Amino acid sequence: EIVLTQSPGTLSLSPGERATLSCRASQSVSSSYLAWYQQKPGQAPRLLIYGASSRATGIPDRFSGSGSGTDFTLTISRLEPEDFAVYYCQQYGSSPTFGQGTKVEIK
Amino acid sequence: QVQLQESGPGLVKPSQTLSLTCTVSGGSISSGDYYWSWIRQPPGKGLEWIGYIYYSGSTYYNPSLKSRVTISVDTSKNQFSLKLSSVTAADTAVYYCARGVAASNWGQGTLVTVSS
Repeated sequence: EIVLTQSPGTLSLSPGERATLSCRASQSVSSSYLAWYQQKPGQAPRLLIYGASSRATGIPDRFSGSGSGTDFTLTISRLEPEDFAVYYCQQYGSSPTFGQGTKVEIK
Repeated sequence: QVQLQESGPGLVKPSQTLSLTCTVSGGSISSGDYYWSWIRQPPGKGLEWIGYIYYSGSTYYNPSLKSRVTISVDTSKNQFSLKLSSVTAADTAVYYCARGVAASNWGQGTLVTVSS
Protein backbone atom coordinates (compact mmCIF):
# COMPACT_ATOMS: atom_id res chain seq x y z
CA GLU A 1 0.00 0.00 0.00
CA ILE A 2 1.25 3.49 -0.86
CA VAL A 3 1.17 5.74 2.21
CA LEU A 4 0.64 9.44 1.56
CA THR A 5 1.92 11.92 4.13
CA GLN A 6 0.62 15.47 3.92
CA SER A 7 2.29 18.48 5.48
CA PRO A 8 1.76 20.66 7.29
CA GLY A 9 -1.17 19.36 9.30
CA THR A 10 -2.55 22.88 9.64
CA LEU A 11 -1.70 25.98 7.66
CA SER A 12 -2.71 29.35 9.14
CA LEU A 13 -2.84 32.07 6.51
CA SER A 14 -4.67 35.28 5.66
CA PRO A 15 -6.86 35.91 2.61
CA GLY A 16 -4.71 36.96 -0.32
CA GLU A 17 -1.71 34.92 0.80
CA ARG A 18 -0.20 31.98 -1.08
CA ALA A 19 -0.75 28.45 0.24
CA THR A 20 1.64 25.61 -0.47
CA LEU A 21 0.55 22.10 0.55
CA SER A 22 2.78 19.04 0.32
CA CYS A 23 1.99 15.38 -0.29
CA ARG A 24 4.76 12.80 -0.08
CA ALA A 25 4.31 9.18 -1.13
CA SER A 26 6.04 6.17 0.40
CA GLN A 27 6.80 4.91 -3.12
CA SER A 28 6.57 6.30 -6.60
CA VAL A 29 3.05 7.09 -7.83
CA SER A 30 2.66 5.57 -11.26
CA SER A 31 1.87 7.85 -14.21
CA SER A 32 1.35 10.77 -11.83
CA TYR A 33 -2.01 9.35 -10.78
CA LEU A 34 -2.28 11.92 -8.02
CA ALA A 35 -5.38 13.94 -7.19
CA TRP A 36 -6.23 16.75 -4.78
CA TYR A 37 -9.59 17.37 -3.13
CA GLN A 38 -11.10 20.18 -1.08
CA GLN A 39 -13.59 19.43 1.68
CA LYS A 40 -15.65 21.89 3.67
CA PRO A 41 -17.55 20.98 6.87
CA GLY A 42 -20.66 18.93 6.21
CA GLN A 43 -19.91 18.62 2.49
CA ALA A 44 -18.57 15.93 0.22
CA PRO A 45 -15.05 16.40 -1.10
CA ARG A 46 -14.61 18.25 -4.39
CA LEU A 47 -12.03 17.21 -6.96
CA LEU A 48 -9.57 20.03 -7.67
CA ILE A 49 -6.64 18.41 -9.49
CA TYR A 50 -6.09 15.06 -11.22
CA GLY A 51 -3.08 13.64 -13.00
CA ALA A 52 -0.95 15.69 -10.58
CA SER A 53 -1.43 18.95 -12.50
CA SER A 54 -4.71 19.00 -14.46
CA ARG A 55 -7.48 21.16 -13.06
CA ALA A 56 -10.90 19.55 -12.82
CA THR A 57 -13.89 21.15 -14.53
CA GLY A 58 -14.82 24.52 -13.08
CA ILE A 59 -11.82 24.84 -10.78
CA PRO A 60 -10.34 28.37 -10.67
CA ASP A 61 -6.84 28.83 -12.03
CA ARG A 62 -5.55 29.99 -8.64
CA PHE A 63 -5.36 26.26 -7.83
CA SER A 64 -2.39 24.46 -9.36
CA GLY A 65 -0.76 21.09 -8.86
CA SER A 66 2.76 19.94 -9.53
CA GLY A 67 5.18 17.13 -8.84
CA SER A 68 5.96 13.59 -9.86
CA GLY A 69 7.33 10.38 -8.41
CA THR A 70 6.97 10.72 -4.64
CA ASP A 71 6.67 14.48 -4.11
CA PHE A 72 3.61 16.52 -5.03
CA THR A 73 2.43 20.04 -4.26
CA LEU A 74 -0.89 21.88 -4.33
CA THR A 75 -0.55 25.65 -4.59
CA ILE A 76 -3.30 28.19 -4.06
CA SER A 77 -1.87 31.41 -5.47
CA ARG A 78 -4.08 33.86 -3.58
CA LEU A 79 -6.40 32.59 -0.91
CA GLU A 80 -10.04 33.57 -1.22
CA PRO A 81 -12.37 33.36 1.81
CA GLU A 82 -14.04 30.26 0.36
CA ASP A 83 -10.69 28.40 0.12
CA PHE A 84 -10.38 27.83 3.86
CA ALA A 85 -11.06 24.11 4.13
CA VAL A 86 -9.38 20.71 4.47
CA TYR A 87 -7.39 19.42 1.50
CA TYR A 88 -6.64 15.77 0.76
CA CYS A 89 -4.28 14.20 -1.71
CA GLN A 90 -5.06 10.79 -3.20
CA GLN A 91 -3.07 8.38 -5.33
CA TYR A 92 -5.01 6.18 -7.70
CA GLY A 93 -2.22 4.49 -9.60
CA SER A 94 -2.49 1.32 -7.55
CA SER A 95 -4.75 0.47 -4.62
CA PRO A 96 -6.15 3.98 -4.01
CA THR A 97 -5.18 5.72 -0.80
CA PHE A 98 -5.66 9.18 0.68
CA GLY A 99 -3.40 11.40 2.72
CA GLN A 100 -4.52 12.43 6.19
CA GLY A 101 -5.39 15.96 5.13
CA THR A 102 -4.13 19.53 5.59
CA LYS A 103 -6.41 22.10 7.18
CA VAL A 104 -6.08 25.61 5.79
CA GLU A 105 -7.40 27.98 8.41
CA ILE A 106 -7.80 31.73 8.67
CA LYS A 107 -4.97 33.39 10.58
CA GLN B 1 -24.67 17.15 -14.86
CA VAL B 2 -24.42 13.72 -13.28
CA GLN B 3 -25.82 13.36 -9.77
CA LEU B 4 -25.39 10.55 -7.26
CA GLN B 5 -27.56 9.72 -4.26
CA GLU B 6 -26.84 7.21 -1.53
CA SER B 7 -29.67 5.37 0.20
CA GLY B 8 -29.94 2.75 2.91
CA PRO B 9 -30.34 2.26 6.66
CA GLY B 10 -28.69 4.80 8.93
CA LEU B 11 -28.35 2.33 11.80
CA VAL B 12 -26.90 -1.17 11.64
CA LYS B 13 -26.36 -3.59 14.51
CA PRO B 14 -22.90 -5.01 15.23
CA SER B 15 -22.11 -8.23 13.33
CA GLN B 16 -24.78 -7.50 10.73
CA THR B 17 -24.36 -6.44 7.10
CA LEU B 18 -24.37 -2.80 6.00
CA SER B 19 -26.15 -2.32 2.66
CA LEU B 20 -26.20 0.89 0.64
CA THR B 21 -27.30 1.77 -2.88
CA CYS B 22 -26.15 4.63 -5.07
CA THR B 23 -28.56 5.89 -7.72
CA VAL B 24 -27.01 7.74 -10.62
CA SER B 25 -28.92 10.34 -12.63
CA GLY B 26 -27.88 12.54 -15.54
CA GLY B 27 -25.50 9.94 -16.86
CA SER B 28 -25.38 6.24 -17.62
CA ILE B 29 -23.28 3.73 -15.71
CA SER B 30 -23.35 1.62 -18.89
CA SER B 31 -21.50 4.28 -20.91
CA GLY B 32 -18.28 2.64 -19.76
CA ASP B 33 -16.54 5.97 -19.37
CA TYR B 34 -15.97 5.67 -15.62
CA TYR B 35 -15.46 3.40 -12.67
CA TRP B 36 -17.95 3.87 -9.83
CA SER B 37 -16.61 4.11 -6.30
CA TRP B 38 -17.46 3.83 -2.62
CA ILE B 39 -15.51 5.90 -0.09
CA ARG B 40 -16.10 6.40 3.62
CA GLN B 41 -15.16 8.91 6.31
CA PRO B 42 -15.45 8.19 10.05
CA PRO B 43 -16.72 11.18 12.03
CA GLY B 44 -13.97 13.78 12.40
CA LYS B 45 -11.45 11.70 10.48
CA GLY B 46 -10.03 11.32 6.98
CA LEU B 47 -11.16 9.54 3.84
CA GLU B 48 -10.86 5.79 3.21
CA TRP B 49 -11.26 4.09 -0.16
CA ILE B 50 -13.59 1.08 -0.06
CA GLY B 51 -13.61 -0.06 -3.67
CA TYR B 52 -14.92 0.51 -7.18
CA ILE B 53 -16.79 -1.25 -9.94
CA TYR B 54 -17.01 -1.04 -13.73
CA TYR B 55 -20.29 -1.39 -15.61
CA SER B 56 -19.19 -4.87 -16.68
CA GLY B 57 -19.07 -5.95 -13.05
CA SER B 58 -15.33 -6.03 -12.59
CA THR B 59 -14.37 -4.80 -9.14
CA TYR B 60 -11.44 -3.62 -7.07
CA TYR B 61 -11.52 -3.62 -3.27
CA ASN B 62 -9.37 -2.07 -0.56
CA PRO B 63 -7.21 -4.99 0.63
CA SER B 64 -7.92 -4.12 4.26
CA LEU B 65 -11.69 -4.53 3.70
CA LYS B 66 -11.68 -7.09 0.90
CA SER B 67 -12.85 -10.02 3.00
CA ARG B 68 -16.01 -8.14 4.04
CA VAL B 69 -16.90 -6.03 0.99
CA THR B 70 -19.06 -6.71 -2.04
CA ILE B 71 -19.82 -4.06 -4.66
CA SER B 72 -22.34 -4.82 -7.38
CA VAL B 73 -23.96 -2.97 -10.27
CA ASP B 74 -27.48 -2.95 -11.75
CA THR B 75 -27.24 -1.20 -15.09
CA SER B 76 -30.99 -1.53 -15.70
CA LYS B 77 -31.64 0.69 -12.70
CA ASN B 78 -28.50 2.80 -13.15
CA GLN B 79 -27.45 1.88 -9.62
CA PHE B 80 -24.51 0.34 -7.86
CA SER B 81 -24.45 -1.07 -4.35
CA LEU B 82 -22.22 -1.73 -1.37
CA LYS B 83 -22.43 -4.55 1.14
CA LEU B 84 -20.10 -4.64 4.15
CA SER B 85 -20.46 -7.68 6.39
CA SER B 86 -19.67 -8.30 10.06
CA VAL B 87 -19.72 -4.61 10.92
CA THR B 88 -18.37 -3.17 14.16
CA ALA B 89 -18.38 0.30 15.69
CA ALA B 90 -15.23 1.03 13.67
CA ASP B 91 -17.38 0.93 10.52
CA THR B 92 -19.41 3.93 11.68
CA ALA B 93 -18.84 6.57 9.02
CA VAL B 94 -20.30 8.78 6.35
CA TYR B 95 -20.42 6.63 3.23
CA TYR B 96 -20.04 8.32 -0.15
CA CYS B 97 -20.59 7.02 -3.64
CA ALA B 98 -18.67 8.72 -6.42
CA ARG B 99 -17.98 8.67 -10.14
CA GLY B 100 -14.46 7.78 -11.14
CA VAL B 101 -11.31 6.71 -9.35
CA ALA B 102 -10.17 10.32 -9.33
CA ALA B 103 -13.68 11.04 -8.09
CA SER B 104 -15.13 13.93 -10.05
CA ASN B 105 -18.71 13.69 -8.77
CA TRP B 106 -19.86 12.67 -5.31
CA GLY B 107 -23.10 11.91 -3.57
CA GLN B 108 -23.96 13.98 -0.52
CA GLY B 109 -22.99 11.08 1.75
CA THR B 110 -25.00 9.10 4.25
CA LEU B 111 -24.10 8.52 7.88
CA VAL B 112 -24.22 4.90 8.93
CA THR B 113 -23.96 4.21 12.65
CA VAL B 114 -23.11 0.75 13.95
CA SER B 115 -24.71 0.32 17.34
CA SER B 116 -26.95 -2.09 19.19
